[in-house]
Amino acid sequence: GQQVMQIPQYQHVQEGEDFTTYCNSSTTLSNIQWYKQRPGGHPVFLIQLVKSGEVKKQKRLTFQFGEAKKNSSLHITATQTTDVGTYFCAGPGAQKLVFGQGTRLTINP
Amino acid sequence: GAGVSQTPSNKVTEKGKYVELRCDPISGHTALYWYRQSLGQGPEFLIYFQGTGAADDSGLPNDRFFAVRPEGSVSTLKIQRTERGDSAMYLCASSLTGQGIGELFFGEGSRLTVL
Repeated sequence: GQQVMQIPQYQHVQEGEDFTTYCNSSTTLSNIQWYKQRPGGHPVFLIQLVKSGEVKKQKRLTFQFGEAKKNSSLHITATQTTDVGTYFCAGPGAQKLVFGQGTRLTINP
Repeated sequence: GAGVSQTPSNKVTEKGKYVELRCDPISGHTALYWYRQSLGQGPEFLIYFQGTGAADDSGLPNDRFFAVRPEGSVSTLKIQRTERGDSAMYLCASSLTGQGIGELFFGEGSRLTVL
């Protein structure tokens, strides 16, 4: 069935450094979504990408959808302590959304 | 309500007991999902409702797990003969469109601990 893999599993950075997480699917995706889960919280929607090669920006966050629509990335420029959390990508599989295992970001202030 | 509401927020039970977890989705959202999340893992799909019917229950681990949504709004996840391995955070999410398209709005979750 549909699988979504994310790397790295963990990333620790100094505040101000950049951060990138990568997402790969075993099949072509019609769209991909990204969520952020703060420690002790629940996943919160960040963005949905639909088009091949699409790039979207939200302030310091840049999201990309691969040309083949099988991979995606999230890049954070100049991390801040508020960026701490786990970032999940999710792709549609049959009638449900399948989540990756997430990349947990910790930041040294 | 303004968001997805889940009760109870915490449930501690003994092995072998029966448990019900409730989810009240955002008004007007026809799609409702149940996920289970263990520590350090991503949300694992359990079941998806479109309206009153279970459109996809392929994620339910075994026949001890059952979910209903009789009036197309509130949903209840039922776990019979609980086992220690059932301990996890159970997340409910609702969506306007369903079928893996469009934003999922998650509740705060129900943390289940089976002793």
